Amino acid sequence: AQTVTQSQPEMSVQEAETVTLSCTYDTSENNYYLFWYKQPPSRQMILVIRQEAYKQQNATENRFSVNFQKAAKSFSLKISDSQLGDTAMYFCAFMLYSSNTGKLIFGQGTTLQVKP
Amino acid sequence: DGGITQSPKYLFRKEGQNVTLSCEQNLNHDAMYWYRQDPGQGLRLIYYSQIVNDFQKGDIAEGYSVSREKKESFPLTVTSAQKNPTAFYLCASSPHLAGGLHEQFFGPGTRLTVL
Repeated sequence: AQTVTQSQPEMSVQEAETVTLSCTYDTSENNYYLFWYKQPPSRQMILVIRQEAYKQQNATENRFSVNFQKAAKSFSLKISDSQLGDTAMYFCAFMLYSSNTGKLIFGQGTTLQVKP
Repeated sequence: DGGITQSPKYLFRKEGQNVTLSCEQNLNHDAMYWYRQDPGQGLRLIYYSQIVNDFQKGDIAEGYSVSREKKESFPLTVTSAQKNPTAFYLCASSPHLAGGLHEQFFGPGTRLTVL
C-alpha cells in the first residue's frame, strides 16, 4: 500500500522569503505521479504542481518548484518570493501511473502562514 | 463558466437522519469522486465513478451511498449508519479515471455537521 507523510503540521515564512515544505512517500511501484495541492481559507483545492516519476527533471511553475528525490522517496515543494496569497494548507498527493481508479493518496497537510 | 458546484455549503443534520450532498459538473468529465476531509488526516476517498450508472467504493465507503444517473451529477448520501459524519466533503472530477496526466478538479466543498 502507498502512504504519504507530511511531517510539518505548521510552518510560517516572511513575505518575499523562500520556504520549503517536505513530503515523503512509500511505494514499491516504479511509475507514479506526485502532486502538490493548495487549499486556501476558502477551502477550494487547487493543483499547484505535478511531477511524473519517470522524469528526472524537477517540475517548476513560476514561483513553485519541487525537489524530487526518487531514491529517497522525497518530494518537497519550494515556494520562492512568498506572497500573502500563498497562505494556505498544502497537501502532497500520490497516484499510481497504472491506477484504474484515479485515486489520489493524500498526506496530512501542512498549514503555511505567510507573514507581512 | 465551467466548473464543479457543490451544495449546500453548510449542512446540519440531526443524528439518525440521512442527508444528500449535491455535486454537479459542466466540464464534460467522465470520472467523478467524493473525498472526506478531517483535521490532521488529509483527504480520503469515499466513492468514485468512471461512467454513468457505474461507481466503486473507495477506502471509507461504509455509511455512504452514491448514484450516477447523469454524467454531470454525482450526489452523495450520508446515511444514519455513518458513525462520525461530521466532516468537510469534497467532490472532484477528471476527464478520465485512469492516469495522473488528467488533473482532478475540485468543487468548493460542503461542511456537514451532525447535531
